[in-house]
Amino acid sequence: EAQVTQNPRYLITVTGKKLTVTCSQNMNHEYMSWYRQDPGLGLRQIYYSMNVEVTDKGDVPEGYKVSRKEKRNFPLILESPSPNQTSLYFCASSPSLSFSGRGETQYFGPGTRLLVL
Amino acid sequence: AQSVTQLGSHVSVSEGALVLLRCNYSSSVPPYLFWYVQYPNQGLQLLLKYTSAATLVKGINDFEAEFKKSETSFHLTKPSAHMSDAAEYFCAVSDPGGGNTPLVFGKGTRLSVIA
Repeated sequence: EAQVTQNPRYLITVTGKKLTVTCSQNMNHEYMSWYRQDPGLGLRQIYYSMNVEVTDKGDVPEGYKVSRKEKRNFPLILESPSPNQTSLYFCASSPSLSFSGRGETQYFGPGTRLLVL
Repeated sequence: AQSVTQLGSHVSVSEGALVLLRCNYSSSVPPYLFWYVQYPNQGLQLLLKYTSAATLVKGINDFEAEFKKSETSFHLTKPSAHMSDAAEYFCAVSDPGGGNTPLVFGKGTRLSVIA
């Protein structure tokens, strides 16, 4: 089954404790992206990746890191989480090598709900 | 910079009634436009998209949207609401002009369907 998977689905942590949220897709997509969803703010892009070893900042990158060492995986790293990073996080992928926004559909994972105490 | 405005954070309709969710965009060029739906505790999935072909776009579950350049709008409609349509709906815009411009989402409209 074609899908985007994220782990964990739920995570409670404390301020400053490094964490990684994994994202994997099995559709051989070039483009991958991370979003956070907050009430009243919709989805905001954190980072995206056009291809292996190619990543760039989205609208709200502060406090996050990503890597793209292989095509299928795009982990999101919070080196020192803070309470303002409490949110619902989505990973997404799309096929386009050029840019997903050129009419390509993005496929979303089920989400990771993070609580930072 | 492109942006999306969804009018109404919450819309409530009766089962069987018309669904109308509004989306207006701001873009320097005719954009690509998308509607995504998010059911409770799930990720987003594509309902339909406009990519400069026909201005009336049909999607899944009898939803459709019409691109109106003169009004910079891409409103989502469904003739008859069903209880299963209760979800959050997001309009999104992208610039087909190239580069790495991200997909920009509206803030979402939560649809409630009343029996």
